[in-house]
Amino acid sequence: DAGVIQSPRHEVTEMGQEVTLRCKPISGHDYLFWYRQTMMRGLELLIYFNNNVPIDDSGMPEDRFSAKMPNASFSTLKIQPSEPRDSAVYFCASSLGGFGNQPQHFGDGTRLSIL
Amino acid sequence: GQQVMQIPQYQHVQEGEDFTTYCNSSTTLSNIQWYKQRPGGHPVFLIQLVKSGEVKKQKRLTFQFGEAKKNSSLHITATQTTDVGTYFCAGPGGSYIPTFGRGTSLIVHP
Repeated sequence: DAGVIQSPRHEVTEMGQEVTLRCKPISGHDYLFWYRQTMMRGLELLIYFNNNVPIDDSGMPEDRFSAKMPNASFSTLKIQPSEPRDSAVYFCASSLGGFGNQPQHFGDGTRLSIL
Repeated sequence: GQQVMQIPQYQHVQEGEDFTTYCNSSTTLSNIQWYKQRPGGHPVFLIQLVKSGEVKKQKRLTFQFGEAKKNSSLHITATQTTDVGTYFCAGPGGSYIPTFGRGTSLIVHP
């Protein structure tokens, strides 16, 4: 079975540009999570969806970040405008059932560098 | 909010030595999950513990959940170079939001 698929794997762009990260969860999973990982802050939950509906976005750092899940097989995380401090690895994860009921399956991540 | 603290942050061992990482919470956890992340990789689920005092084993890995369900540990017996990586615990925060510890990075010297 295909795992969680993220694209792109790497993104290098200049400050001020719009960045869009994409995620395809595992088919049939009803929860989708976006994380950001840095050395300074570790693994942070940004937002999660249940059945395509955003449930908690309290981890989104500021209004420059937005996330959507138009259907069960696709989600995007957008940063506009991007800043150097947004440089990090962004992971998408999906699960069948909420946290604590089932394991989370992570994608390979997008390594984002903002110059 | 809910915080899950992990110690140590780093651990260097000689191949063949044992390794333990500890996870502590200020509040009672309904369950705890453990993940491993290889360098350059993504977190991979290892196991979930639910019951008070629960002990589970996976080959050389032993996972424990404390009696009060506020702490957990992962012990690796006779480490191998393939054990290198960062081990995370994760507990459910408010509204069952997953909260990850900072992780323990294991470095194994051959």
